Amino acid sequence: DGGITQSPKYLFRKEGQNVTLSCEQNLNHDAMYWYRQDPGQGLRLIYYSQIVNDFQKGDIAEGYSVSREKKESFPLTVTSAQKNPTAFYLCASSILPRESTDTQYFGPGTRLTVL
Amino acid sequence: SQQGEEDPQALSIQEGENATMNCSYKTSINNLQWYRQNSGRGLVHLILIRSNEREKHSGRLRVTLDTSKKSSSLLITASRAADTASYFCAITDSWGKFQFGAGTQVVVTP
Repeated sequence: DGGITQSPKYLFRKEGQNVTLSCEQNLNHDAMYWYRQDPGQGLRLIYYSQIVNDFQKGDIAEGYSVSREKKESFPLTVTSAQKNPTAFYLCASSILPRESTDTQYFGPGTRLTVL
Repeated sequence: SQQGEEDPQALSIQEGENATMNCSYKTSINNLQWYRQNSGRGLVHLILIRSNEREKHSGRLRVTLDTSKKSSSLLITASRAADTASYFCAITDSWGKFQFGAGTQVVVTP
């Protein structure tokens, strides 16, 4: 099946620890995105990547880091510098970045809870 | 601040009724999209309307766009319990930036 997967579905972390969320897609999409969603709110862009080995900060990049070593993979690391990391994290991809028909395809999400 | 703002924040209707939600934005756009999110899941794309289009249909969904008022509406006709979800609009502005609104939570009761 073609699609975008995220793992794990639920993740618990102690304060002060870094944690990495996985995002993989086999849609051959160029662009990938990470969003954060807090209860009752919309999505806020953390980082995005339009091409391998390149990525750009979104609106709330502080305390997060990413890499894009392979086209199909875009892992997100939540560092201990992120003050309030408990949230639902969504990864997405699109065929061509910044085009007029750039529909985004979403993974199922990872719910991160900091204990 | 988020460019797309949905109204109402929450909507409760009975099966068979129509559900209408609105999205307002502040900048020039290339297109506007509507997405659906079931509780605790990822978003699913519903429909895209370009800035030069005024209305689009997809099954029971009807989307309108009024660029002079910088607003869009999503109408779900003959709603079903399975339509219970949060609905988000997302704009792609003239600079290619993609932003989501806060969403409208729709509950359809049998």
